[in-house]
Amino acid sequence: DTEVTQTPKHLVMGMTNKKSLKCEQHMGHRAMYWYKQKAKKPPELMFVYSYEKLSINESVPSRFSPECPNSSLLNLHLHALQPEDSALYLCASSRRTRGEKLFFGSGTQLSVL
Amino acid sequence: DQQVKQNSPSLSVQEGRISILNCDYTNSMFDYFLWYKKYPAEGPTFLISISSIKDKNEDGRFTVFLNKSAKHLSLHIVPSQPGDSAVYFCAASASFGNEKLTFGTGTRLTIIP
Repeated sequence: DTEVTQTPKHLVMGMTNKKSLKCEQHMGHRAMYWYKQKAKKPPELMFVYSYEKLSINESVPSRFSPECPNSSLLNLHLHALQPEDSALYLCASSRRTRGEKLFFGSGTQLSVL
Repeated sequence: DQQVKQNSPSLSVQEGRISILNCDYTNSMFDYFLWYKKYPAEGPTFLISISSIKDKNEDGRFTVFLNKSAKHLSLHIVPSQPGDSAVYFCAASASFGNEKLTFGTGTRLTIIP
């Protein structure tokens, strides 16, 4: 199993809603990541978890709240988002955080109205 | 500060010919380099990687070349096929220091049948 599974694939939410993005991997990877990608731009790192602990937060606004319940799961809780937060949100995992390729999920296309 | 740059935003190549995608980096601490392929609204798919102890790595139709003195890497695809049409990102990381994988700006490759 070399997959990273993300749900939902598409999400439309209002600025007052609370929603969560979910990510799962069963490759035994100990590093998991959230990236944000806008059209025609490279993926932009948001958070890195290493051994279930948050190791990097790239100065992401607090309306994005990551959670790593266990080594296979990664969530991104969304609250009071802005229309400019509309983007493709990508989850990724790797064996460890350095010198390893990342496996990406297919992403959640988020639209904030 | 864009530490990984892909100066060609787009490239068109005839089917069957060689596609050459280029990438330059500025951070001399980078020692692991990767190429990813991305289709719209999907997550990036890993293609090939190279460590700084090598100058060439081959996998089927894909070859990556690394020139450390020039801080330059390239991806060669031979022969190019219509299914290769996608956006290609190079990425780099350092074994020491920040765990972050830094992506280039991407090159859109179009294979002309």
